[in-house]
Amino acid sequence: EPEVTQTPSHQVTQMGQEVILRCVPISNHLYFYWYRQILGQKVEFLVSFYNNEISEKSEIFDDQFSVERPDGSNFTLKIRSTKLEDSAMYFCASRKVDRDYGYTFGSGTRLTVV
Amino acid sequence: GEDVEQSLFLSVREGDSSVINCTYTDSSSTYLYWYKQEPGAGLQLLTYIFSNMDMKQDQRLTVLLNKKDKHLSLRIADTQTGDSAIYFCAVSNYNQGGKLIFGQGTELSVKP
Repeated sequence: EPEVTQTPSHQVTQMGQEVILRCVPISNHLYFYWYRQILGQKVEFLVSFYNNEISEKSEIFDDQFSVERPDGSNFTLKIRSTKLEDSAMYFCASRKVDRDYGYTFGSGTRLTVV
Repeated sequence: GEDVEQSLFLSVREGDSSVINCTYTDSSSTYLYWYKQEPGAGLQLLTYIFSNMDMKQDQRLTVLLNKKDKHLSLRIADTQTGDSAIYFCAVSNYNQGGKLIFGQGTELSVKP
């Protein structure tokens, strides 16, 4: 069964450093998402991406965050200057077509900011 | 904005049925989902229901939707210790971009 692949599975970074979280969505999917889950809390929507541009973003997704689909296969989330409160599990998801229930989530990247 | 609420904990004995409840606020939600998360793992889609359905059954899982009360439930029959996990309710509205709004998750503990 096709999978959404996320790398790395765990990343530790110093506060103030830039991090890039990587995702390879399912190849024929058109909609891409990033969600995050702070330990013990809800899974929160960050951003959705369609047709090479952001289609929606949450209040969490401020100027420190950016997303890119640089080469038609990878989908990346960049955090420019990490803060302690950015420590969370970050999930990538992709979806095939509009009005389709078929979300597939990756297994997540655990980001620890120290 | 949309809000999804769940109780935080549920403890059952192996072999019993588990019922996990969820309420949501947006009556125009189109798809409603149940995800399972085991410790340290990702989000596994268990089942979903479209908003024009009242019930969906899939092996040991039964989803009930009460649109009037905006209440969704997941029943797990013959609960096993391997069912111990956090269960997330989530809703989406494809007229609003299709993003998922999650509840805070219910931790199911199954005792032998």
